[in-house]
Amino acid sequence: AQKITQTQPGMFVQEKEAVTLDCTYDTSDPSYGLFWYKQPSSGEMIFLIYQGSYDQQNATEGRYSLNFQKARKSANLVISASQLGDSAMYFCAMREESAGGTSYGKLTFGQGTILTVHP
Amino acid sequence: DGGITQSPKYLFRKEGQNVTLSCEQNLNHDAMYWYRQDPGQGLRLIYYSQIVNDFQKGDIAEGYSVSREKKESFPLTVTSAQKNPTAFYLCASSGTGSRSYEQYFGPGTRLTVT
Repeated sequence: AQKITQTQPGMFVQEKEAVTLDCTYDTSDPSYGLFWYKQPSSGEMIFLIYQGSYDQQNATEGRYSLNFQKARKSANLVISASQLGDSAMYFCAMREESAGGTSYGKLTFGQGTILTVHP
Repeated sequence: DGGITQSPKYLFRKEGQNVTLSCEQNLNHDAMYWYRQDPGQGLRLIYYSQIVNDFQKGDIAEGYSVSREKKESFPLTVTSAQKNPTAFYLCASSGTGSRSYEQYFGPGTRLTVT
């Protein structure tokens, strides 16, 4: 079974500073995908970034980067130059995949971290 | 615009009544999912479907039922057997095949049962 652990219930960061949101995972699957989603107070889930377990390089998407340490089973999200609009709940999730990256679909989510950006 | 529609945004029901939440997508995705979210918690998978006329139970399927008669539609029925139905329900869809990693979510339906 897959499990995601987010140990930080809440995080605070000053505007324009960088912040790291922690995520550790547990799985026996040889191939998997790791995701981060943002959920504002409106409730929508916004996809931020994806990392495949066989990807050699850490994923980056604009101000988001994923610090993937496979041996430690961690997939921390780094947000650079925080903005007030980054205040939201952030979820780490994972999914079993085939070696070629084909999806088996269903995601397992962590409990989430509430990020508050101060001006 | 392509996307996922969930209606209504807010739904109120009396205890003991079945209620059906709608989910429609025009992304031509094969796979669709229903998740439940309780306050301050992560999402938990209720049911998922990878092709029309086929679906599988997720982690918390008890008290719920689904159908997948059309590719575009994946309605969820919350039955009276669901003991704590008040929650935020999110529908999602994804493509299949290599690198189809992004799962698109609808805006969600907040169900309150009293």
